Amino acid sequence: DTGVSQDPRHKITKRGQNVTFRCDPISEHNRLYWYRQTLGQGPEFLTYFQNEAQLEKSRLLSDRFSAERPKGSFSTLEIQRTEQGDSAMYLCASSPGTGDVDTQYFGPGTRLTVL
Amino acid sequence: GQNIDQPTEMTATEGAIVQINCTYQTSGFNGLFWYQQHAGEAPTFLSYNVLDGLEEKGRFSSFLSRSKGYSYLLLKELQMKDSASYLCAPLDSNYQLIWGAGTKLIIKP
Repeated sequence: DTGVSQDPRHKITKRGQNVTFRCDPISEHNRLYWYRQTLGQGPEFLTYFQNEAQLEKSRLLSDRFSAERPKGSFSTLEIQRTEQGDSAMYLCASSPGTGDVDTQYFGPGTRLTVL
Repeated sequence: GQNIDQPTEMTATEGAIVQINCTYQTSGFNGLFWYQQHAGEAPTFLSYNVLDGLEEKGRFSSFLSRSKGYSYLLLKELQMKDSASYLCAPLDSNYQLIWGAGTKLIIKP
């Protein structure tokens, strides 16, 4: 399977703990996106990479959230000092990055529950 | 501001046709995507429209009117597996997807 993969699929943590999620995009996709989604809502944009460069970060994203894509391939999203409001599905998507408009393909997501 | 408006929920019968409407207001416009999302799963790509008119792809078709800020997704010959949420997502001037809350489609036998 050469689709987008995410790890772990589920994470349960206690409030105040740090968590890290990983995303492996489709091979040779230049662009990588992180979204957050809660029940009954559409995905909420968090951040976006073009190769290893983080080009945009949502103004709604607190300083507790950080993302990296060090070699332009896989990416990690870290949440520090988790809060109950961070409970959500965290989605990663990748796209070829050829031109301004290209289709994003999503991974299965990581469901985070903060107790 | 940027705004997407879709019905929250629709119900249709297996074998029938359903049209899911979407109106949008965005800062600039560079096309519009439709995604399907089954409960607990990730969104999957259905269609992309950048020019006015109808794009047909099998049982699914998508229509766009840029002047009206309007799109619809048409699903024909409905099957039970079409029960899912359908997300309308236009691209703004920064080529970022703007997501609505989606329309939950319930198919009844």
